[in-house]
Amino acid sequence: NAGVTQTPKFRVLKTGQSMTLLCAQDMNHEYMYWYRQDPGMGLRLIHYSVGEGTTAKGEVPDGYNVSRLKKQNFLLGLESAAPSQTSVYFCASSYLPSGILFGPGTRLTVT
Amino acid sequence: TQLLEQSPQFLSIQEGENLTVYCNSSSVFSSLQWYRQEPGEGPVLLVTVVTGGEVKKLKRLTFQFGDARKDSSLHITAAQPGDTGLYLCAGSFRGGKLQFGAGTQVVVTP
Repeated sequence: NAGVTQTPKFRVLKTGQSMTLLCAQDMNHEYMYWYRQDPGMGLRLIHYSVGEGTTAKGEVPDGYNVSRLKKQNFLLGLESAAPSQTSVYFCASSYLPSGILFGPGTRLTVT
Repeated sequence: TQLLEQSPQFLSIQEGENLTVYCNSSSVFSSLQWYRQEPGEGPVLLVTVVTGGEVKKLKRLTFQFGDARKDSSLHITAAQPGDTGLYLCAGSFRGGKLQFGAGTQVVVTP
């Protein structure tokens, strides 16, 4: 099993550009999450999904959209990137809503 | 606003010493997890505690869940340099949300 994979690993965007981060898991997990991690802030939940076709807002959803069209994929979109969205983004998945498995992260810089 | 408060934020100790990290909240959790994260990597799950008052041991690490399921502690005995990392607690709510504390950076020097 590949576990949780994220694409891309690094990205630099200019303010106003858009992009999509892709997360894939091959463990048939129901729950999938997108977090961002900033120094001194820990991990903050952006959006999450409890199953295929479902999404829900987390702590910091503004400026992001997500989709879970297939059970194994969870996409995070930034429609108009802002410097405040510079961060490390982690995708994660789990069978139950605990004990989640994280991907390796995507480091995003918005200039 | 962080629902889970971790303390201390930073801890630097010598090899062989003991340390305790705390995780507190005003909310009741259905379960609580502890993770360790190393630079450039995602967090890795150490343990999940579910029952109030539960104590779990993982080699030199002891995890305790408070009776009211609002707080937890992580105790490391005879710390080693390999224990260096960012320790994160995370609380699970009904409905699938999992929220994290800000983390405690632990540095163990030889």
